[in-house]
Amino acid sequence: SQTIHQWPATLVQPVGSPLSLECTVEGTSNPNLYWYRQAAGRGLQLLFYSVGIGQISSEVPQNLSASRPQDRQFILSSKKLLLSDSGFYLCAWSSPRVKPEAFFGQGTRLTVV
Amino acid sequence: AQTVTQSQPEMSVQEAETVTLSCTYDTSENNYYLFWYKQPPSRQMILVIRQEAYKQQNATENRFSVNFQKAAKSFSLKISDSQLGDTAMYFCAFMKLPSGTYKYIFGTGTRLKVLA
Repeated sequence: SQTIHQWPATLVQPVGSPLSLECTVEGTSNPNLYWYRQAAGRGLQLLFYSVGIGQISSEVPQNLSASRPQDRQFILSSKKLLLSDSGFYLCAWSSPRVKPEAFFGQGTRLTVV
Repeated sequence: AQTVTQSQPEMSVQEAETVTLSCTYDTSENNYYLFWYKQPPSRQMILVIRQEAYKQQNATENRFSVNFQKAAKSFSLKISDSQLGDTAMYFCAFMKLPSGTYKYIFGTGTRLKVLA
């Protein structure tokens, strides 16, 4: 069966510090991968998605970047965090040719102080 | 661009009763999927139900069913015999077909509280 791991679960970082959130998927190959941010009252905002290794599409201009160094690994990064980067970050995967729905990780609560 | 609107930020229902959550969407596409996801206090997103736009029959999963009105671009979720464990945020989502990107567009969510 397929599983998705996302870590860390919670993170408190000072303004100006770097960020690295990691997500890995097991039990499937060549998944589509996604990073979402969830803010109160705004639902889930798609930040990045990837349909293959090294292929990253950005949905909104921001202080964040994403990378996909391996088929089932997706990393969300920042060189210098801003207060506005605080939020709940969710990684997800899908294989639309098998099932149309996306499957989500447990999420990371990021607080920038 | 596609948009998904959930106009009910919060709702409550008595245990064992029925509640309906609303969702509307805007698209010019003819082929797409619609989903309802549940996010309990644990924050884990869980798929509740999905609907293929080309199917006229409304999807059902145990106590959960949808009312899909394609012409009206409406996709409501009905929860029957509500249980305390149904307390959660519920998100409506859209994905168009065919798509090389398979992006999922979410609404802002409805917070449902089931009262004992």
